[in-house]
Amino acid sequence: DAGVTQSPTHLIKTRGQQVTLRCSPISGHKSVSWYQQVLGQGPQFIFQYYEKEERGRGNFPDRFSARQFPNYSSELNVNALLLGDSALYLCASSLVGGANSPLHFGNGTRLTVT
Amino acid sequence: RKEVEQDPGPFNVPEGATVAFNCTYSNSASQSFFWYRQDCRKEPKLLMSVYSSGNEDGRFTAQLNRASQYISLLIRDSKLSDSATYLCVVRSPTGNQFYFGTGTSLTVIP
Repeated sequence: DAGVTQSPTHLIKTRGQQVTLRCSPISGHKSVSWYQQVLGQGPQFIFQYYEKEERGRGNFPDRFSARQFPNYSSELNVNALLLGDSALYLCASSLVGGANSPLHFGNGTRLTVT
Repeated sequence: RKEVEQDPGPFNVPEGATVAFNCTYSNSASQSFFWYRQDCRKEPKLLMSVYSSGNEDGRFTAQLNRASQYISLLIRDSKLSDSATYLCVVRSPTGNQFYFGTGTSLTVIP
């Protein structure tokens, strides 16, 4: 079975541009979460989506938005890019309901803003 | 206060050594705990869940102390391939957010 897939793998953008990152969860997983990881830090929670609804939002500005589609895939959009948005963006899927259900991560999208 | 705190290390240990990582969490209502492993420039991968009674998977042992809000990971007989960053992870009581520590860097030396 395929794991979590993310695209693109790498992306270079300039300040002020907009970017869309894509994610397909593991088959059967209905929850998708997005995390940002900057060098030397652990992943920071951005959003969680379940059944196409936002179920959680981290401490990120409104420039960050996301959505989930009927097939449970998801997109993360970032507008008006800043240099500080350069990071590894991780998508994770999980089962919902199991207290000990872990996150399963994709390979990530490495975004560089110049 | 951070939700999850870890000693960032680095830990440099010889092959065969035993090494322990510790982590504390701030929300006493948290119910689910995990250790993830992250190799350089790769995504985090689940190493093991942490159960209240403690659990073992081969050379790895995880412990949870709810009273002290403390999680540990013990690696016995370290291998070169254990070199990585180990992330302590706590799931929020609502279940919709996972809090990650900054990670502890381990290098196993020949």
